[in-house]
Parts: sequence; C-alpha cells; structure tokens
Amino acid sequence: RKEVEQDPGPFNVPEGATVAFNCTYSNSASQSFFWYRQDCRKEPKLLMSVYSSGNEDGRFTAQLNRASQYISLLIRDSKLSDSATYLCVVNVGPNSGYALNFGKGTSLLVTP
Amino acid sequence: ETGVTQTPRHLVMGMTNKKSLKCEQHLGHNAMYWYKQSAKKPLELMFVYSLEERVENNSVPSRFSPECPNSSHLFLHLHTLQPEDSALYLCASSQDGAGGREKLFFGSGTQLSVL
Repeated sequence: RKEVEQDPGPFNVPEGATVAFNCTYSNSASQSFFWYRQDCRKEPKLLMSVYSSGNEDGRFTAQLNRASQYISLLIRDSKLSDSATYLCVVNVGPNSGYALNFGKGTSLLVTP
Repeated sequence: ETGVTQTPRHLVMGMTNKKSLKCEQHLGHNAMYWYKQSAKKPLELMFVYSLEERVENNSVPSRFSPECPNSSHLFLHLHTLQPEDSALYLCASSQDGAGGREKLFFGSGTQLSVL
C-alpha cells in the first residue's frame, strides 16, 4: 500500500465551480499534514497546513479525518489560476527526522 | 530576489560527464535538502543538511555526492550518471525545529537529462 494516495485526476472544472480532492495516508502515527501546489514545470509551493480542527484560507478549506486517515482540500469559486497539481504531504510520524511522504499529486484544470 | 535559487535550470549530460548543481537560499534557514522528482512518481528525499551537517542520506547511489559548505549553499555533484537518473532535481530549505521541517521552500529545480 502506498504511503500517501491521491486521485491523479485530471479534474476539469469550469470557472466558479467548487472542487474537492481527497488524500489517504497509511501511517496512523503521522502528525503533520500539508497541501502543496505545483504549477506546470515549476517547483512545489506550500499552500496550507491541515489542522485537526480544519482550517480555511480564503477560498481554500482543508480538513483532516484521523479516524479514516484522510485529508481533503476544498476549493470554492475556482479561478483559472487555480489550475495546477495539488500535492498531499504527510510526515512519516514522530521521530521521523526530516522524512516526508509526498503524494503523486492531483491535477486540476479550471476552464473558462 | 527569490528565496531559493538553483542553477542551472536545464542540464543535458552524457553518462561519463561530471557536473554540479548549485543551490543558494536567502531565507536564513538552517536546513537544506535535495529532492528528486521523476515523472509519475512522488518526490523522493535524497539528502538533508542541518547546520551544514548531513543528517539524512536516503540510500542514494554514490554517483550523487552532496556538499554543503555553509548554511546558505548546497551542491549536488554528479558523475557517471545513468539514463534513469533523468529527472527534476529540487533543492529546498526550511527552518529546523518543531513545526518547521515540513514547511519547505523549493528552488525552481534543475531538469536533468542523461544521454
């Protein structure tokens, strides 16, 4: 079983739509969760951390479900500029050093 | 000036060549990383330096040799690479300590092709 699994997509949505991605992780000892965004041929950039209580940053909402071991990212009112690959990142667990588990990413294409 | 700069952006090399990738961070971070990103694979951690000391080496072949002369600079020396080493090599930095390690700042990467 992969450490972090994501639906690769692509998700094709029209501008203004709401879209949600899920990510599942296998290590129940994982403690930190993040979403990174990677534009085509560019480097990944931290989008947001995911907290147990859920958190919101403008049009973006992240949720964590520890019992089912998944995290989600909801994007409301999609913009063309949201088109990118969204990477789910999970730390390996306590005392994991610097290791992080990256998902392969979910591709989003927002169309006019 | 961008936080983490990498050079070169693109590199084509033969299997017998020796080349080096360079990374410089301007964020005052004390940890630096090399990651490899291959097509259809997740990012793989290669090396980590914290305060200029190598703290992780994830079973990377010896044809990849990192060097960290100070906390702002990181190199990846390449020699006798194989075609399967073709990938995007990303440098990153972070502030070490609780809660900081997972917040990585990446450079724009070097797209490496080995012929």
